[in-house]
Amino acid sequence: DAKTTQPNSMESNEEEPVHLPCNHSTISGTDYIHWYRQLPSQGPEYVIHGLTSNVNNRMASLAIAEDRKSSTLILHRATLRDAAVYYCILPFYNQGGKLIFGQGTELSVKP
Amino acid sequence: EAQVTQNPRYLITVTGKKLTVTCSQNMNHEYMSWYRQDPGLGLRQIYYSMNVEVTDKGDVPEGYKVSRKEKRNFPLILESPSPNQTSLYFCASSGYTSTDTQYFGPGTRLTVL
Repeated sequence: DAKTTQPNSMESNEEEPVHLPCNHSTISGTDYIHWYRQLPSQGPEYVIHGLTSNVNNRMASLAIAEDRKSSTLILHRATLRDAAVYYCILPFYNQGGKLIFGQGTELSVKP
Repeated sequence: EAQVTQNPRYLITVTGKKLTVTCSQNMNHEYMSWYRQDPGLGLRQIYYSMNVEVTDKGDVPEGYKVSRKEKRNFPLILESPSPNQTSLYFCASSGYTSTDTQYFGPGTRLTVL
């Protein structure tokens, strides 16, 4: 099975950058990498996705390794509202439609 | 507004009493799925559906049923709930390509006594 691997938890200080890593060594060549986050007591929400090159949006940046076996979600200036569990997810249609969530990284942000 | 709705949001029931959790989306998405979330275990997929009348098992399908008779609805059925199905449940939907993002519902917190 294609899987993603993430650290269980990370800490950051408010207004500092945060780099959240994800390993996906068995990703296939044309699959996108998606990141979601889950705030306390809410359903997961989309953050960003990419294929090969780095991507930016208003929430975050995504850096994808050249061999695509890993990626890093970058929050440029962490805020207290960014405290959440961040999931690196391979897109569906991998293995017949089965979605694969990583373990998720619980990010805590200190004021 | 694009959204996924779930009902009920909270439910306390007893072992063996059949229940249904409804899920509806207004985005004309082909793909829908159900997840359960338990402390320390993250999100685990129960069932998914790639279109009307097409459903398949996820990682933890035991004790659950689903149906997809209409594109917008994807109910989760527990024929005989047991305490180990006490969990937080999320429904999700998306389009049909790997660039489509998933939209998640607000969650249903189920307690089986």
